Formats: sequence, structure tokens, C-alpha cells
Amino acid sequence: AQKVTQAQTEISVVEKEDVTLDCVYETRDTTYYLFWYKQPPSGELVFLIRRNSFDEQNEISGRYSWNFQKSTSSFNFTITASQVVDSAVYFCALSFYNQGGKLIFGQGTELSVKP
Amino acid sequence: GAGVSQSPRYKVTKRGQDVALRCDPISGHVSLYWYRQALGQGPEFLTYFNYEAQQDKSGLPNDRFSAERPEGSISTLTIQRTEQRDSAMYRCASSPTSGGGNEQFFGPGTRLTVL
Repeated sequence: AQKVTQAQTEISVVEKEDVTLDCVYETRDTTYYLFWYKQPPSGELVFLIRRNSFDEQNEISGRYSWNFQKSTSSFNFTITASQVVDSAVYFCALSFYNQGGKLIFGQGTELSVKP
Repeated sequence: GAGVSQSPRYKVTKRGQDVALRCDPISGHVSLYWYRQALGQGPEFLTYFNYEAQQDKSGLPNDRFSAERPEGSISTLTIQRTEQRDSAMYRCASSPTSGGGNEQFFGPGTRLTVL
């Protein structure tokens, strides 16, 4: 099965708190790609990051960081010192080298950051 | 430059009517994808094109759904004899190259409501 699970449906934090969004994926393929997309209240889907299955290095971009662990099939996303503008629905997604790039999305996690 | 555009942004139709949803990808992008997003869910893959060739239509729910991209640029997703269960956000995305792992740039979506 090829599947992405985001077990957290909704998370609510107070501004400046750190928050981690979980993503667990299932695949038997050895070559695959993982993504995070942000959907703010305005509704568009905004690309955040892409990782391939051969690169397990964690990545940091400003207040955002990603932890990719093949051993647990997880690709978690952490926002440090959250801000109100981070409020959005966040989607984790999976694609495969031999399937033309179609994305398999998780159900999404709605993050609410309160002032 | 211009991003992916979709029209109409909102479409309300009566059950049994046909609808055509248009996607104008980023100029020069090879791949074009269609997804459907139900409320509170992640986008689900419908179909995709490389240039004018439809490569995968495994996500189309039934034969009332069809898509084309005749000149390798603009694409139209057509739903015949609409049903209430077809109500959803229909999203188009484009990618500069074909193959897995490419970033997809999403349009604003068309919100379809079938009465």
C-alpha cells in the first residue's frame, strides 16, 4: 500500500510555542519523494519542501525544520516559535519516481496559532 | 511570471448538467495534474498529462469524468451528468518537467457545487 497518514487532525498552540506536525508514510518502493504543502485560509496550496528517499539529512529553513527518518517511515515538520501567520492546514505528500509524479496526500493537520 | 490559473473559480450547477473546468498552467510546463479535494481532506489525484498525452487516468472516479490537453498547454476537465457527490474543490497543478519528485505548482482551484 502507498499511503500517507497525518494522525493529528487539529493542533492549537499559543504564539511562540514550538509545534511538530507528524507524517507517517507507507511504501515498499525504495525510490520515493516526500513533500510538505501549506494551505492558508485563502485556500491556495503552497510548496514548502521536497525530500528524496536517499537523503535523510534533516533540513532547516528559518523557523521551519524537517526530520526524515526512514527507520520509522516518518517525515515530521517542526515550526519553532510559531506565529499567527503559521495558522493553516499542512499536508504531507508522497510521490514515486516511476508514477509520473502524482502526489498522494495525507488528510492534513489544521494548525491554529493563537496570539 | 504568471502562476497556474483556473476558471471558473466557483461553479454552481444543477444535478444532471455537464461542467467544464479549465486549467491554464505555467507557460512551458511539461506536466499537468488534476486533483479533487473534498472538504476537510487532502487532494486526491485524478489524472495527469505530459505535453498533450494523458499518461495516467487511474484516479478518475468513473466514465462521467474526462480530461484533455489537446495542444499541450491548457487543459479541460469535463464532468458529465453531474451528481451531488461531485461537489468538491478541483485543483490543477503544473510541473516544469515530467517524472516523479518534481515540485508541483498549484492553481487556486475551482469550487464546484452541484445542487
